[in-house]
Amino acid sequence: GEDVEQSLFLSVREGDSSVINCTYTDSSSTYLYWYKQEPGAGLQLLTYIFSNMDMKQDQRLTVLLNKKDKHLSLRIADTQTGDSAIYFCAEISNSGYALNFGKGTSLLVTP
Amino acid sequence: DAGVIQSPRHEVTEMGQEVTLRCKPISGHDYLFWYRQTMMRGLELLIYFNNNVPIDDSGMPEDRFSAKMPNASFSTLKIQPSEPRDSAVYFCASSPTGTGGRHYGYTFGSGTRLTVV
Repeated sequence: GEDVEQSLFLSVREGDSSVINCTYTDSSSTYLYWYKQEPGAGLQLLTYIFSNMDMKQDQRLTVLLNKKDKHLSLRIADTQTGDSAIYFCAEISNSGYALNFGKGTSLLVTP
Repeated sequence: DAGVIQSPRHEVTEMGQEVTLRCKPISGHDYLFWYRQTMMRGLELLIYFNNNVPIDDSGMPEDRFSAKMPNASFSTLKIQPSEPRDSAVYFCASSPTGTGGRHYGYTFGSGTRLTVV
């Protein structure tokens, strides 16, 4: 199937901005998503962006989409220790209804 | 709404035993998905249903795995016989049909952690 790639780890200091990156290969992707998974929990939808947009902002979260390069990023402003979790990038193609996930980026926020 | 409800939260079983995982989707959601999560392979889609009908089961690893959705409010994933390599966290998720082509993403349950010894 099509690939969604993410870096595995990111460590930032509390109060700094975090940027989590994702690349995908399916050019027919219509929606791209960011999910958050805390230890022992399911995945929680954080935000999504439609492929005809290049930016979406929601409080501390900013999603940037470069459709030409098939690159998606999630920026978390003023990162807090409660933001420590695994963040998953996912895409859905125009032809299907199943989300294709990356392997997740573990974000560690240190005091 | 209570969200997507999975049971049990944890299951420990011996190799060769039958295991049944259960899921109650959000009322009104007509898509239901079963995913498996492991450290090595990440999140893998096993099967998904639309209006209780299986649409894509190409991710089901072997004939030992089977899934059913007898009605809109209940689904099961069964492994028979279970093997140690089936140890993973199994997630159920549900989604409504997007209107005008808009997709809402999924709502996930808390998962069932399966350990086969």
